[in-house]
Amino acid sequence: QVQLVQSGAEVKKPGASVKVSCKASGYIFTGYYIYWVRQAPGQGLEWMGWINPNSGDTNYAQKFQGRVIMTRDMSINTAYMELTRLRSDDTAEYYCARGPSSLYGMDVWGQGTTVTVSS
Amino acid sequence: DIQMTQSPSSLSASLGDRVTITCRASQSMSSYLNWYQQKPGKVPKLLIYDASTLQTGVPSRFSGSGSGTDFTLSISSLQPEDFATYYCQQTYSTPYTFGQGTKLEIK
Repeated sequence: QVQLVQSGAEVKKPGASVKVSCKASGYIFTGYYIYWVRQAPGQGLEWMGWINPNSGDTNYAQKFQGRVIMTRDMSINTAYMELTRLRSDDTAEYYCARGPSSLYGMDVWGQGTTVTVSS
Repeated sequence: DIQMTQSPSSLSASLGDRVTITCRASQSMSSYLNWYQQKPGKVPKLLIYDASTLQTGVPSRFSGSGSGTDFTLSISSLQPEDFATYYCQQTYSTPYTFGQGTKLEIK
């Protein structure tokens, strides 16, 4: 079945970096964009950006420009989201999700990865 | 950036009620509007894309409409499993912003 499986929870200190993985299975990895969305505790959804697994092209929300890096490894059908210079307000659940194009929304989501930033 | 404003922020309703949630965009965005449902501790679920197209497997009591700047999500007859938070999202231009969410609670 189609699924996205994310890496496990992380605890990081302020200023550190975190890299979350998102392994795709059950579909053609290069046929769908991978989006990253985060959700702070008790808050709404925040779109971070996308990567096109086929080309490697990325598009980041201005808020994260310079701090986020989205990559992929086509040999293992895995996308990555690295967030650097972590702050306490980066504490959130991070989701990857796939979508065929911008018109169709994000139809399959990973289970989420909890990232806690604390000194 | 396109700002998405949902109303109401919260809503109390009874089983069997019909409810409508509104999402307004700060600029025209054709029909690039999606609706998601999220239950506590769960992953968001895509309900509707392209403003009015029901995602496969989503019950027909859910419907979406609108274009341009004004969109609605309707649930025709509330079921127990429908009590959740609903988010709209525009995918017309990046960043693909979400509304702040509408929490639907049991009256």
